[in-house]
Amino acid sequence: DIQMTQSPSSLSASVGDRVTITCRASQSISSYLNWYQQKPGKAPKLLIYAASSLQSGVPSRFSGSGSGTDFTLTISSLQPEDFATYYCQQSYSTPLFAFGPGTKVDIK
Amino acid sequence: EVQLVESGGGLVQPGGSLRLSCAASGFTFSSYSMNWVRQAPGKGLEWVSYISSSSSTIYYADSVKGRFTISRDNAKNSLYLQMNSLRAEDTAVYYCARDAAFKVTVTTNSAFDIWGQGTMVTVSS
Repeated sequence: DIQMTQSPSSLSASVGDRVTITCRASQSISSYLNWYQQKPGKAPKLLIYAASSLQSGVPSRFSGSGSGTDFTLTISSLQPEDFATYYCQQSYSTPLFAFGPGTKVDIK
Repeated sequence: EVQLVESGGGLVQPGGSLRLSCAASGFTFSSYSMNWVRQAPGKGLEWVSYISSSSSTIYYADSVKGRFTISRDNAKNSLYLQMNSLRAEDTAVYYCARDAAFKVTVTTNSAFDIWGQGTMVTVSS
């Protein structure tokens, strides 16, 4: 089974900061990697699909990169509404659609 | 408006059963694969089950295999999750989610673009 890890598990940042979150797969998943944002008490929201494609309606300050086993989500200038938990998800193989453990971004 | 609305959650005793429903509106439900995802209190997201648009392909997470059954009724624009032999560790918010199946160059990339608001399932005596 493919295992997904994320780092860091949490981070504190200020408005305007550049934030980078890393996701790693235990084996190559090509570009079958998605990123979601979840705020407390709300359903997750798709941000990035296929490693680097921005979902419609998502601000351009969000970007994704990587392929194979190593991926990153970057927020170029953190905004107040970006404080949330971010999850990566692989859709390459079983267990299908496994999520990473999440990275919580909070206010410094 | 594109929307998914879950229902059927509640309190159930260990070993009991529950059936969740997910009503879809605002899009052609029969054209999309669907999923169930759950989130235990204070924990991360866990994918539970997948069903293709025609119900021909079904997958389950190992943690629910043999106990949960996913199904759909395209005529009613509805997705279901029958949960049997429930355990305390099944306690979670259950979300239904649409698989967008994005076409990227020559491949198809699954990603969940529409989610319901979730329904809480509590397994406790």
